[in-house]
Amino acid sequence: GAVVSQHPSWVICKSGTSVKIECRSLDFQATTMFWYRQFPKQSLMLMATSNEGSKATYEQGVEKDKFLINHASLTLSTLTVTSAHPEDSSFYICSASGLTSGKNEQYFGPGTRLTVT
Amino acid sequence: GNSVTQMEGPVTLSEEAFLTINCTYTATGYPSLFWYVQYPGEGLQLLLKATKADDKGSNKGFEATYRKETTSFHLEKGSVQVSDSAVYFCALSGITGGGNKLTFGTGTQLKVEL
Repeated sequence: GAVVSQHPSWVICKSGTSVKIECRSLDFQATTMFWYRQFPKQSLMLMATSNEGSKATYEQGVEKDKFLINHASLTLSTLTVTSAHPEDSSFYICSASGLTSGKNEQYFGPGTRLTVT
Repeated sequence: GNSVTQMEGPVTLSEEAFLTINCTYTATGYPSLFWYVQYPGEGLQLLLKATKADDKGSNKGFEATYRKETTSFHLEKGSVQVSDSAVYFCALSGITGGGNKLTFGTGTQLKVEL
């Protein structure tokens, strides 16, 4: 159980365009979803935390107008990278958290590789 | 604030060698501790966890013990295999807004050779 999917697994887009990444919890209700960014050979950097039905909380230094996060249901969150630039190329990973055995725990998606040309 | 420090890699071992990856943490309260593994091109998978002091998490031959007195959660495996080659992340959780916020270490790459 506790499977999280991401779509697409990889995407190439042109500079200036927007791209949407979906994160779905397949077999549980995710009250909270997290979006991370990972640079090559580096750790995960938390970008934002979103609770279903409310606005996302962004980490310091993350532009909320550039990285739009929507968490409209208990099974789906989306990250839209607006007006993408080559420096936005990265590996984006989501995770989902719901009440599991009385303990909150994050379950990670497989990641989305974004390349902006 | 919370922080996690883990040994830098890459760590290169021969198959069947003993593995230790050190992890120490700084946190307020009583966090849960985790080890995640990331295989090339994939997301993170939970390897093991411990939720209170002196707990031992174990999975697939890997073990780690939550040591509050030394604020450590070192990962060990008695005999590594080539298939264990991956990046290992130590992490701790702190509660925020209804969902645990994870703080990750920088990751340690493990390479196991025949």
